[in-house]
Amino acid sequence: EDKVVQSPLSLVVHEGDTVTLNCSYEVTNFRSLLWYKQEKKAPTFLFMLTSSGIEKKSGRLSSILDKKELSSILNITATQTGDSAIYLCAVGFSGNTPLVFGKGTRLSVIA
Amino acid sequence: GAVVSQHPSWVICKSGTSVKIECRSLDFQATTMFWYRQFPKQSLMLMATSNEGSKATYEQGVEKDKFLINHASLTLSTLTVTSAHPEDSSFYICSARETGAGQPQHFGDGTRLSIL
Repeated sequence: EDKVVQSPLSLVVHEGDTVTLNCSYEVTNFRSLLWYKQEKKAPTFLFMLTSSGIEKKSGRLSSILDKKELSSILNITATQTGDSAIYLCAVGFSGNTPLVFGKGTRLSVIA
Repeated sequence: GAVVSQHPSWVICKSGTSVKIECRSLDFQATTMFWYRQFPKQSLMLMATSNEGSKATYEQGVEKDKFLINHASLTLSTLTVTSAHPEDSSFYICSARETGAGQPQHFGDGTRLSIL
């Protein structure tokens, strides 16, 4: 059975801290790993990673995939209260196979 | 970027009512759309995969007669919750992926359904 595991499940940090969220997977026919941010509504897309070792960056957020270790990390530097959200990791497959999601990491950034 | 529009954002209705939720891909065509359900403080639970022009594929435990899915065009899928009851109250989210290899999946804003 395909499995995606995120850690930690929840995290509380102070503004300005740097956080690292983890995602590991055990799947067959891996094609891509995706990160999403979910606040009050539905998830918004952050990154899609397909190649190992190539960092993707967007402002204070960055992510990298390690296919050897079957894992990915999402880094957020200089956190702000607006970063408070659930961060979801998902694995994608070829064709129309649905994504498999992890349970998410609930990040709370306090002032 | 790719936009998925979901309507309505929230619905409150009486038990026994049928509720239709629409999901549209605004600037791309989607042969496949996905319907999820999310309970408070839990992750997304896939309900069904909606295929344009053919029957939806339902996940185990999801009643196909209860949750009717229609994907009549490349930009529109609908989910109808038939004869809704309070236990159907939930957050329903649709998602679509652009046709073609290597495209991410994008989500609508979700529909919060409350059945009284």
